[in-house]
Amino acid sequence: ILNVEQSPQSLHVQEGDSTNFTCSFPSSNFYALHWYRWETAKSPKALFVMTLNGDEKKKGRISATLNTKEGYSYLYIKGSQPEDSATYLCAFENSGYALNFGKGTSLLVTP
Amino acid sequence: NAGVTQTPKFRVLKTGQSMTLLCAQDMNHEYMYWYRQDPGMGLRLIHYSVGEGTTAKGEVPDGYNVSRLKKQNFLLGLESAAPSQTSVYFCASSSVGVVYFGPGTRLTVT
Repeated sequence: ILNVEQSPQSLHVQEGDSTNFTCSFPSSNFYALHWYRWETAKSPKALFVMTLNGDEKKKGRISATLNTKEGYSYLYIKGSQPEDSATYLCAFENSGYALNFGKGTSLLVTP
Repeated sequence: NAGVTQTPKFRVLKTGQSMTLLCAQDMNHEYMYWYRQDPGMGLRLIHYSVGEGTTAKGEVPDGYNVSRLKKQNFLLGLESAAPSQTSVYFCASSSVGVVYFGPGTRLTVT
């Protein structure tokens, strides 16, 4: 079992606030780090897949960074909107076969 | 292109009954997975397959069996259901990179 830790467990911000979450993962045998967005009553949808140390990805107001040497990734949301409310999952891939998920960060954005 | 589909969407079983969950994907993906999701536990890998005819155990395989007779299908079986197997089950598939999830099956064992 590979330990993938996410913090905080939950977060409540006001519309317009910027926020960030952390994902910690084993620094050995790294293959890829995934971020998923999971809305209630739906299935997880991929945001980013990062493979290289120093990788930065951006999609609209959401961006992510990766540090494979120290084993962490940050997800940033700029100017949060109510529609950003969801659980954000990170997953560590060490073999190219299966993902090991963290427990997620639950984000609530209120108007 | 339906992506990943799961059958059934909901099911209630009595303790000791058996059932099979069906997952199908139409993206020609090599890899397929079964996860379960429980409150406070995140997604935990039950079994996975790296190609037709192959399967491997994940983090929580006990009480489940799987088969991948065709590339597009991945079956999850419960031989003798227990209340601890009450959960939401997600199937997923991938080729290289992004993993695509099915809509989930909500299983209750009474």
